Amino acid sequence: GAVVSQHPSRVICKSGTSVKIECRSLDFQATTMFWYRQFPKKSLMLMATSNEGSKATYEQGVEKDKFLINHASLTLSTLTVTSAHPEDSSFYICSASGLAKETQYFGPGTRLLVL
Amino acid sequence: GQQLNQSPQSMFIQEGEDVSMNCTSSSIFNTWLWYKQDPGEGPVLLIALYKAGELTSNGRLTAQFGITRKDSFLNISASIPSDVGIYFCAGQRVQGAQKLVFGQGTRLTINP
Repeated sequence: GAVVSQHPSRVICKSGTSVKIECRSLDFQATTMFWYRQFPKKSLMLMATSNEGSKATYEQGVEKDKFLINHASLTLSTLTVTSAHPEDSSFYICSASGLAKETQYFGPGTRLLVL
Repeated sequence: GQQLNQSPQSMFIQEGEDVSMNCTSSSIFNTWLWYKQDPGEGPVLLIALYKAGELTSNGRLTAQFGITRKDSFLNISASIPSDVGIYFCAGQRVQGAQKLVFGQGTRLTINP
């Protein structure tokens, strides 16, 4: 149980384009989803927290207009990197917690490369 | 953002050896979690601890929630090659209430 998927697993895009990453909870309802960014050999950095049906809460220093988050259902959250630039290249990981809010289960990550 | 102090940062051991790593904080956490991350993958939950003093095992893994609520350790006994990876501790200040604070990670390398 508690499986979280992400799609795509890796994406390469041109600078200036937008990229959408999906995060799905496959076997539980995720009232809260989290988006993280991870640089090579570093720990996870929380970008934002999203609750189903409401606006995401962004961490300090994270541009909400740059990283659009939508959590329209209890099983799906999307992160859209708008007007991507090479410095946005990174490993993006989502996590989800269920109704009991017991813990967070992580997706497999999406590696974004902006050329 | 704030991180937990996790040590050691890296470990190089022989297969079969036991491993110990820990996390400390200057403030109290009410939940401690231990994750393992393989290259190019997301973290996988190993052990979750919810009560101060709690000692929990998962196979060859044992973790404890420090009595002061400011630390936790993870032990791996009789290491095997598939234990290679990065181990992260994470804490929640308020149980079940959202944000995780992560340690810097411990990179485990095993010589066969």
